[in-house]
Amino acid sequence: AQTVTQSQPEMSVQEAETVTLSCTYDTSESNYYLFWYKQPPSRQMILVIRQEAYKQQNATENRFSVNFQKAAKSFSLKISDSQLGDTAMYFCAFTYDKVIFGPGTSLSVIP
Amino acid sequence: GAVVSQHPSWVICKSGTSVKIECRSLDFQATTMFWYRQFPKQSLMLMATSNEGSKATYEQGVEKDKFLINHASLTLSTLTVTSAHPEDSSFYICSARGELAGVIVYNEQFFGPGTRLTVL
Repeated sequence: AQTVTQSQPEMSVQEAETVTLSCTYDTSESNYYLFWYKQPPSRQMILVIRQEAYKQQNATENRFSVNFQKAAKSFSLKISDSQLGDTAMYFCAFTYDKVIFGPGTSLSVIP
Repeated sequence: GAVVSQHPSWVICKSGTSVKIECRSLDFQATTMFWYRQFPKQSLMLMATSNEGSKATYEQGVEKDKFLINHASLTLSTLTVTSAHPEDSSFYICSARGELAGVIVYNEQFFGPGTRLTVL
């Protein structure tokens, strides 16, 4: 069975600084997708970034980038130049057929 | 981008009654829809997967007779909570996965805004 682990329940970062959220997963599949989703207080799920497992190059979306280590089954999210609007719950997710979410990391950006 | 709506956004009902939540894909054909449940400060827990025209596949521990799912068209799936009880109070989220040029797109699901259910 696939599992997703996020070892940091809560994190905080100063505005304009950089923060890295950790995620590890377990699967026997070789081709799959990984995602980071943001859930602000409105509770609308927002896709932050996606990574295809067969691509070695790490995905990047503006201030968001990932460090994908397939052998280690690790998929961390780096947020650069943190902004107040980045305050939210962040969920790491894995999909082969259905999406499995990690427990989430609550990120607070401090002014 | 693809838009998924849910209705209602919040609902309060009495214990023992049934509540129906609708999930619609507004601008694409959703071959598969997923229903999640989220308790406060917790992650999304997949309840069931529904494919258009087929019976839903429920996750272990989810009562199929209590949470009735219907996916009658490529744009609509419904979740009916039957004989609701206070412990069913939660935030219910649907998501949809679509088809582009006949190919199922696995690399993204589109989420609805959620429905907050409170059972008194």
